[in-house]
Amino acid sequence: QKEVEQDPGPLSVPEGAIVSLNCTYSNSAFQYFMWYRQYSRKGPELLMYTYSSGNKEDGRFTAQVDKSSKYISLFIRDSQPSDSATYLCAMSWAGKSTFGDGTTLTVKP
Amino acid sequence: DAGVIQSPRHEVTEMGQEVTLRCKPISGHNSLFWYRQTMMRGLELLIYFNNNVPIDDSGMPEDRFSAKMPNASFSTLKIQPSEPRDSAVYFCASNYQGLLNTGELFFGEGSRLTVL
Repeated sequence: QKEVEQDPGPLSVPEGAIVSLNCTYSNSAFQYFMWYRQYSRKGPELLMYTYSSGNKEDGRFTAQVDKSSKYISLFIRDSQPSDSATYLCAMSWAGKSTFGDGTTLTVKP
Repeated sequence: DAGVIQSPRHEVTEMGQEVTLRCKPISGHNSLFWYRQTMMRGLELLIYFNNNVPIDDSGMPEDRFSAKMPNASFSTLKIQPSEPRDSAVYFCASNYQGLLNTGELFFGEGSRLTVL
């Protein structure tokens, strides 16, 4: 079993929809929880990171962490075609990050 | 500011040939990571360096793979001999690790390797 499991997708939604992306993990040592966005043929870039359980908001993006359930989510409000990309969750401890396999999102105009 | 710079961007080679991928991390960063991305296995950590010293190479698939970091501004990942199953996108990433290690990574654009 992988340390980080991510809902595989792909997801296709209409513009303006709310998107929910989810990951679970098994390693209790993970300290930081991150979401990266990867456009086609590009490297991943960090969207958000959180440390503790709870919600963190940044514009249209909200990251949610539930350490007791070992579950993290990323919500995208008012999704835009420019949000179309692969979203990777990642979790780190001791300086190393472990990634989920990614969920590919398409937002249709 | 320049980001992480990788070369070559694309490499097509034949089975058995040696492949060398190069990476220049962001200036001031003290940690460098090599990842491999495939459809089947996602993004896998191969090796990471801190202050030019290899810290964890447990992800290196086998002895055909080797990585070096001779100084703070340069690293190589070498595959010798290459095999078709090595075909993947290889990413280099860097960050600064101090008292607070969030794990945030800055990735290069990747080197797309095809082994025929």
